[in-house]
Amino acid sequence: SSELTQDPAVSVALGQTVRITCQGDSLRSYYASWYQQKPGQAPVLVIYGKNNRPSGIPDRFSGSSSGNTASLTITGAQAEDEADYYCNSRDSSGNWVFGGGTKLTVL
Amino acid sequence: QVQLQESGPGLVKPSETLSLTCAVSGYSISSGYYWGWIRQPPGKGLEWIGSIYHSGSTYYNPSLKSRVTISVDTSKNQFSLKLSSVTAADTAVYYCARHDYGGNSYYFDYWGQGTLVTVSS
Repeated sequence: SSELTQDPAVSVALGQTVRITCQGDSLRSYYASWYQQKPGQAPVLVIYGKNNRPSGIPDRFSGSSSGNTASLTITGAQAEDEADYYCNSRDSSGNWVFGGGTKLTVL
Repeated sequence: QVQLQESGPGLVKPSETLSLTCAVSGYSISSGYYWGWIRQPPGKGLEWIGSIYHSGSTYYNPSLKSRVTISVDTSKNQFSLKLSSVTAADTAVYYCARHDYGGNSYYFDYWGQGTLVTVSS
């Protein structure tokens, strides 16, 4: 399968930890990359590889993977982390696929 | 600093061809990386359309493959998207992006700001 499945919505209390997951067969071959998108803005890469953060991304963002599931964890969620989050990977056919996205609400 | 900027008509008629260009600055396309197009219908998620490698190899979303062409113009340091026979379902914000491979992961590291294309008569 070339699909990546994400929960549509997740909520977290301010300052608490939240995990956003992404499931798909392609994740057995490649690590996912993760993107944050705020309303009206282009997506921003937040995690790639085993657990790599681009310059400027806070260290409260981390990534992990097990089997066909990739996870993005935000430790100590802040109000500014409220956004849509998308995972992405390359599938066995050589195509790229995005997950359906998870809307994160910070309470 | 790598920058990408989409340009093209904001309104396209049904059955016509959507054409967009992504101008790249701060990096020479011919030097490496993949260069891709992603779209996002209003209120919906991201959809990968296709990508081109700096060598010219192309990769297309199977669901759009019959209608999509991506090409590179190294002399202008830009790449382009053509999507034929458009319908209202092709109305979306279209993004161009650079993507790379590292640490057993592919990732889109630089994005354009996006351009809204509406398909309507």
